[in-house]
Amino acid sequence: QKEVEQDPGPLSVPEGAIVSLNCTYSNSAFQYFMWYRQYSRKGPELLMYTYSSGNKEDGRFTAQVDKSSKYISLFIRDSQPSDSATYLCAMQLDSSYKLIFGSGTRLLVRP
Amino acid sequence: NAGVTQTPKFQVLKTGQSMTLQCAQDMNHNSMYWYRQDPGMGLRLIYYSASEGTTDKGEVPNGYNVSRLNKREFSLRLESAAPSQTSVYFCASSEQGGLEAFFGQGTRLTVV
Repeated sequence: QKEVEQDPGPLSVPEGAIVSLNCTYSNSAFQYFMWYRQYSRKGPELLMYTYSSGNKEDGRFTAQVDKSSKYISLFIRDSQPSDSATYLCAMQLDSSYKLIFGSGTRLLVRP
Repeated sequence: NAGVTQTPKFQVLKTGQSMTLQCAQDMNHNSMYWYRQDPGMGLRLIYYSASEGTTDKGEVPNGYNVSRLNKREFSLRLESAAPSQTSVYFCASSEQGGLEAFFGQGTRLTVV
């Protein structure tokens, strides 16, 4: 079983929809939770990260962490065609250099 | 500002050949990383360098070696390429730890 599970999609939504992307994990010691966006044939770019539990908002993006359920989410409000990409969750132990990535969810926002 | 630069962008190798993937960052970051990305597997850490002069194994180090040449440069070497090493390789850097890692554009390697 993988340490981090992520539905590969693809997830197809109309422009303007609210998108929910999710990851589950098995290691309760993870402390940092990150979301990366990767456009086709490009390197991943960091969207946001949170430490431990709670919510974090940045513009149209909101990240949620529920450590009791070992579940993290990324919400995208008012989705745009330019949001079409693969979204990767990643997690890290405290004081570690190793990121553990999910396999990514491909999102398609239809105009 | 170039960020993280990887060379080459594409490479085809024959089984048993060797090659070195180059990575350079201009952000004065302490930590550098090499990942490979395979379909359905996500990104997996091969090796990392927490700071200049140190290197450590990641999740999938077998068949690879690394050199932290200086603070800017971190190279990945395949001594005897195998078809299982066909992948997209990403270099990344961060100020410290794995947080806020900046990735290069990737090297697409095919071993035939």
